[in-house]
Amino acid sequence: NAGVTQTPKFRILKIGQSMTLQCAQDMNHNYMYWYRQDPGMGLKLIYYSVGAGITDKGEVPNGYNVSRSTTEDFPLRLELAAPSQTSVYFCASSQGLAGGPTQYFGPGTRLLVL
Amino acid sequence: GNSVTQMEGPVTLSEEAFLTINCTYTATGYPSLFWYVQYPGEGLQLLLKATKADDKGSNKGFEATYRKETTSFHLEKGSVQVSDSAVYFCALSHNSNSGYALNFGKGTSLLVTP
Repeated sequence: NAGVTQTPKFRILKIGQSMTLQCAQDMNHNYMYWYRQDPGMGLKLIYYSVGAGITDKGEVPNGYNVSRSTTEDFPLRLELAAPSQTSVYFCASSQGLAGGPTQYFGPGTRLLVL
Repeated sequence: GNSVTQMEGPVTLSEEAFLTINCTYTATGYPSLFWYVQYPGEGLQLLLKATKADDKGSNKGFEATYRKETTSFHLEKGSVQVSDSAVYFCALSHNSNSGYALNFGKGTSLLVTP
């Protein structure tokens, strides 16, 4: 199993550009999450999904959008990138209620908005 | 709301020293508690977990005991190695969290010197 994979590893964006961060998992997990990690801080939840076709906002959703058309994939879309979105983005997945709350993380995408 | 507080770093220890990283939480009922580790340039890896009071999680020589009476989940290791240098995050999951998302502490940076 590859676990949770994320692409790209690193990206530089100009202010106002848009991009999609890709996330995929091959563990057949129902629950998926997007977090951002700012320097010296813990991770904060952006969006989450409890199954294909179901998404909801987390603590810091402004400026982002997600979709979940399949169990495996959970892309994060940034529209009109801003310097405040410079961060490291982590995708995670878990089995959810049935299998317990342990989350498995991808390697992260480092984003710099200039 | 639910929250996690962990001791601030950085923590610098000599090899073979004893390690304690304090973590306390605020939550109603019985959250699940986790320690994640982040090595330089990598994503978060689950180090250990405990899902009910008085449980002890352990892995790679690290231990933490879920103390309901003190709402704590302190991380300990008897003899640290240089390879343990990383950032350690305490986290909780609760059924009142969005999709059982994790609440993270800010992280504690550990540097072990030879």
